[in-house]
Amino acid sequence: AQSVSQHNHHVILSEAASLELGCNYSYGGTVNLFWYVQYPGQHLQLLLKYFSGDPLVKGIKGFEAEFIKSKFSFNLRKPSVQWSDTAEYFCAVIPWMDSSYKLIFGSGTRLLVRP
Amino acid sequence: AAGVIQSPRHLIKEKRETATLKCYPIPRHDTVYWYQQGPGQDPQFLISFYEKMQSDKGSIPDRFSAQQFSDYHSELNMSSLELGDSALYFCASSLLDSMNTEAFFGQGTRLTVV
Repeated sequence: AQSVSQHNHHVILSEAASLELGCNYSYGGTVNLFWYVQYPGQHLQLLLKYFSGDPLVKGIKGFEAEFIKSKFSFNLRKPSVQWSDTAEYFCAVIPWMDSSYKLIFGSGTRLLVRP
Repeated sequence: AAGVIQSPRHLIKEKRETATLKCYPIPRHDTVYWYQQGPGQDPQFLISFYEKMQSDKGSIPDRFSAQQFSDYHSELNMSSLELGDSALYFCASSLLDSMNTEAFFGQGTRLTVV
């Protein structure tokens, strides 16, 4: 079945450690790609997005992601995490297969950053 | 800037009761989406509307219905509530003028069925 996969369900890091969260999707054709963050008790907020152009996308709060079309991947990275990055991170894809607009989420990765 | 507004923020209902969730999209956005996020789960797409017409349907139970009104706000009606309906319900809106668009999410309505 077509899907969005986030391989790490839980990640625990110390402050200043580097972060990479994996995201793979299985949709062919044109896709729009997103990373959303959800802080405890809050709504989803957009971190960054990829539509076209430079496959290395920079988002808010020092996050970046790289779209690798050949690997169907859109991994999220941050060189040095902070305690305030503790949250759940969702990768999401819009597959433009049939002109419908449906944002498909991965299962999320819970990040805990220890002070 | 105006964001997506959802009401109520919290709702407690008993089993078999009915609930209505409201979503007010960002002004001039023509598309509304509803998502259900169960405890510890990823958001699941329920239904979407474009220009007041249903545009896509996901895993929405038959007990649920939704519509988009002339002012573009949307309501999700949930009947015969079950304990398993307890979840965070997100609404999002977007403007579908091109493929390069994104959805903006509201803060959600947390529904607890007891």
